[in-house]
Amino acid sequence: QQPVQSPQAVILREGEDAVINCSSSKALYSVHWYRQKHGEAPVFLMILLKGGEQKGHDKISASFNEKKQQSSLYLTASQLSYSGTYFCGTEVAMDSNYQLIWGAGTKLIIKP
Amino acid sequence: GAGVSQTPSNKVTEKGKYVELRCDPISGHTALYWYRQSLGQGPEFLIYFQGTGAADDSGLPNDRFFAVRPEGSVSTLKIQRTERGDSAVYLCASSFVQGHEQFFGPGTRLTVL
Repeated sequence: QQPVQSPQAVILREGEDAVINCSSSKALYSVHWYRQKHGEAPVFLMILLKGGEQKGHDKISASFNEKKQQSSLYLTASQLSYSGTYFCGTEVAMDSNYQLIWGAGTKLIIKP
Repeated sequence: GAGVSQTPSNKVTEKGKYVELRCDPISGHTALYWYRQSLGQGPEFLIYFQGTGAADDSGLPNDRFFAVRPEGSVSTLKIQRTERGDSAVYLCASSFVQGHEQFFGPGTRLTVL
């Protein structure tokens, strides 16, 4: 039921690109992406609501393929501030509610 | 404006004791969530409040865990007869309504000795 994130960890040089994938076995209502720095609370990046939707914020963007129950987060020209653990949260229907189920995270390390 | 606050920031207790963890959400947010996060893992859903009522408590691991939100604002997570396996960071989040961006508090690190 927990979405699968890949890779588990990635090390980049500043300026390189990265892709983080999130895959679910359940039908998804939406996908949320958050970044958490060590010892801090998760911080919201974006929500993707519709199948095939793409969103972007600065040099971070994401896509959501509803049919494949997958989402990908794209980090372009990575900056040192992008370091942290990225979590996808998949919103699934549970009885009469929607529940956000989180992946185990992808640790991103950016080196200068 | 003020964000989500949680108290205490750290709690050390002995096995078998009772603890209360408090969450003060962003004013006006009707949805409130409790999560538990272990080292190297994503947040694990515990319970979701819409207003004063627990709309979904399916994530509470057993009946030692209970949460309230009597006035639709501040929430308290209560853990009875704590066990070492309860040790984790307990995160609270709030959102304007369910499905919107969640704003997280700094968490309470619970250590059960």
